Amino acid sequence: GENVEQHPSTLSVQEGDSAVIKCTYSDSASNYFPWYKQELGKGPQLIIDIRSNVGEKKDQRIAVTLNKTAKHFSLHITETQPEDSAVYFCAADGGSTLGRLYFGRGTQLTVWP
Amino acid sequence: DSGVTQTPKHLITATGQRVTLRCSPRSGDLSVYWYQQSLDQGLQFLIQYYNGEERAKGNILERFSAQQFPDLHSELNLSSLELGDSALYFCASSATSGFQETQYFGPGTRLLVL
Repeated sequence: GENVEQHPSTLSVQEGDSAVIKCTYSDSASNYFPWYKQELGKGPQLIIDIRSNVGEKKDQRIAVTLNKTAKHFSLHITETQPEDSAVYFCAADGGSTLGRLYFGRGTQLTVWP
Repeated sequence: DSGVTQTPKHLITATGQRVTLRCSPRSGDLSVYWYQQSLDQGLQFLIQYYNGEERAKGNILERFSAQQFPDLHSELNLSSLELGDSALYFCASSATSGFQETQYFGPGTRLLVL
């Protein structure tokens, strides 16, 4: 099955700085790559996703890039704010035509005011 | 609020017991997924149901079973519980069969097996 690796496991930044989280995947059949944010005591919430026919996608302060050749994708958060502090998960679909997702181990992002 | 509800929020039980976790998907969503989140394994896909039928199976133990009812709510049954089953269990839903669809997660059920 698909194996998704995520780095770093923890990330601390000052408010206003940028944060970058990187993921690699093993199955070249993967075509769908969502990113989730999980706040304490809550379930994961989708923040952005990208499909394999697109190299980059942006939504306000959040952007995701995908390099299918190298099998890696990254989350970029600009102008970070304390409310961005949470655990972020990347995922890949492993080529599934259903909904099964394979998740990375998560990155604890802390934004200091 | 994702629109996905899960009950109970917390569950404390003993080894060897059986519990049932309940999930109601977002209104209109046909697919329900179950995930287990633990410190050592991370977020692991367990099983998917689509419109009442099992569609995909992941790392689900034989002691665990699930079903989706005609009103589309789903239940995850965990039996012969072991200490290692202590984890957060999430339910997610999506509109149709799930292909490249957003999955909306519920708030989870925290299970503690003593």
